[in-house]
Amino acid sequence: EVQLVESGGGVVQPGGSLRLSCAASGFTFTSYFMHWVRHVPGKGLVWVSHISTDGRIATYADSVKGRFTVSRDNAKNMLYLQMDSLRAEDTAIYYCAKSNNYALDIWGQGSMVTVSS
Amino acid sequence: DIVMTQSPLFLPVTPGEPASISCRSSQSLLQSNGYNYLAWYLQKPGQSPQLLIYLDSNRASGVPDRFSGSGSGTDFTLKISRVEAEDVGVYYCMHTRQTPYTFGQGTKVEIK
Repeated sequence: EVQLVESGGGVVQPGGSLRLSCAASGFTFTSYFMHWVRHVPGKGLVWVSHISTDGRIATYADSVKGRFTVSRDNAKNMLYLQMDSLRAEDTAIYYCAKSNNYALDIWGQGSMVTVSS
Repeated sequence: DIVMTQSPLFLPVTPGEPASISCRSSQSLLQSNGYNYLAWYLQKPGQSPQLLIYLDSNRASGVPDRFSGSGSGTDFTLKISRVEAEDVGVYYCMHTRQTPYTFGQGTKVEIK
């Protein structure tokens, strides 16, 4: 079964850091770009970042550029999102998602991140 | 950035009746390979988003054939031929033409 399982969410103070992890299984992880998307409950979906198959190319939304870093460990089938200098507006459910080269075809269950003092 | 605009934002539907959602992009989503990089997703209550349609008209694996996508360039439509109760949720269009990828605002579909 193709599956993505996020972990690492929680409550953090403004200015703090958090690292999300996404464990992939059931497909050839090394063959696909991977993405992070966030959802503020009651609001819409926002694309955050993606990373190439070999991890050399990473792209970010302007709202997180310079603060978030996406990475992957292909030996462990793991995707990561390092989030630094967190702000209240980063509060959201964060989803990892697999690309099928055209769209995001498999999504994880999501990990809640709350930035609050 | 490409801006995606959906309409309507709220759509009350009657089971068994058809439904339609529009999505417009501020720039053409047509790539040089002839494909429009436009996808549709459904986020059911309490669930993660799921892919319905990719490349404007290709149904994802396991998606019922009552869902169809059409359009090209900047104007796209998602149609449900006969709405079922399980189709409620928020529908999003999203482009992957160029980064940053962006979503429409979402269309909330509810049963009348």
